[in-house]
Amino acid sequence: KQEVTQIPAALSVPEGENLVLNCSFTDSAIYNLQWFRQDPGKGLTSLLLIQSSQREQTSGRLNASLDKSSGRSTLYIAASQPGDSATYLCAVFHSNDYKLSFGAGTTVTVRA
Amino acid sequence: DTGVSQDPRHKITKRGQNVTFRCDPISEHNRLYWYRQTLGQGPEFLTYFQNEAQLEKSRLLSDRFSAERPKGSFSTLEIQRTEQGDSAMYLCASSLGFSSPSGYTFGSGTRLTVV
Repeated sequence: KQEVTQIPAALSVPEGENLVLNCSFTDSAIYNLQWFRQDPGKGLTSLLLIQSSQREQTSGRLNASLDKSSGRSTLYIAASQPGDSATYLCAVFHSNDYKLSFGAGTTVTVRA
Repeated sequence: DTGVSQDPRHKITKRGQNVTFRCDPISEHNRLYWYRQTLGQGPEFLTYFQNEAQLEKSRLLSDRFSAERPKGSFSTLEIQRTEQGDSAMYLCASSLGFSSPSGYTFGSGTRLTVV
């Protein structure tokens, strides 16, 4: 069974600092990995999708890396802003059962 | 297309009542998924459809839960004889193809509170 772990569970940083969010997974047989943002009481917004053959994806201030062999992904958010405060979820799409498995998320607070 | 739509956004029901949620996926997406999320946890898989066929159900989905996707378009999730443990956010997602090359698109969810 695929296990997805996100560390840390929560972090608080001053505005302008760079954020580093970690995700690890136990089974490397994945098609892709997706990072989502979730605001309190809301649904999930897709941020970045990395295919298993890719090493990283970038969108604006966001950059996500993938090391499939070691079962790790990292989401970097540059120059954080208070509007970046949210929970960030990592999810892997298995190549054996075609489902997404999620970590529990990292809750980020950016202080103005 | 405006993405994945879920209705209602919030539902409060008394224990023992039946509730039904609706999900309208992105029109060209052939796969539709239901997930459940409790406070402080990541979403957990419940069931998924490819077109109108329900291909898999999680062990989390007891006999009180039923899902349908008639004609491979919208989907409904019904919970019979609700219990307080059913209180959660119910999320619907859709994707194109079995390997989801463009990823999943999620709706805004339905927040269920059983009192």
